[in-house]
Amino acid sequence: AQKVTQAQTEISVVEKEDVTLDCVYETRDTTYYLFWYKQPPSGELVFLIRRNSFDEQNEISGRYSWNFQKSTSSFNFTITASQVVDSAVYFCALNTGGFKTIFGAGTRLFVKA
Amino acid sequence: GAVVSQHPSWVICKSGTSVKIECRSLDFQATTMFWYRQFPKQSLMLMATSNEGSKATYEQGVEKDKFLINHASLTLSTLTVTSAHPEDSSFYICSALTLPSQYFGAGTRLSVL
Repeated sequence: AQKVTQAQTEISVVEKEDVTLDCVYETRDTTYYLFWYKQPPSGELVFLIRRNSFDEQNEISGRYSWNFQKSTSSFNFTITASQVVDSAVYFCALNTGGFKTIFGAGTRLFVKA
Repeated sequence: GAVVSQHPSWVICKSGTSVKIECRSLDFQATTMFWYRQFPKQSLMLMATSNEGSKATYEQGVEKDKFLINHASLTLSTLTVTSAHPEDSSFYICSALTLPSQYFGAGTRLSVL
């Protein structure tokens, strides 16, 4: 069975702090894709990153970075020097190529000025 | 990137009426589209998988007769909430699959009075 766990329900930080959002996944498939999406108050899902199971390289994009570790089945997301505009709900998701994308429960991030 | 248009973005209707939500892939063809439902402060729950030219596949617990899905072409899927009731009020999101990516519409907020 596939499962995505985001244990952090809510995180509150002060602007300019770094924050890491955790994501742990479960799957028996060897080929799969992991995603992170941002959902601001407007509701629209914003795609942030896709990583396939054969690519364990970490990635950095501006203030965002992702740490993919197959050994611990984790795909964590770090925001460096957080800003108020980063306040949103962040979802980690898993797709095993069987078309269905399974979402984690989401982590609500509050960044205070 | 690929664009998925979802319409309407917000709808208010009276109890007992039916509401149709459209999901279009604007610059690509999608043989598979998905419909999700999201309650406040909760994650996205897959309702059904819509395949062009065939019947939709519904997730367990989703009423087929309540949520009618039609995938008439490679760029259009519709979700009709029939005889809507207040408990159907929710945020509905469609997405279109073009492997290995999945693109999401902006969502439709349905309020049933």
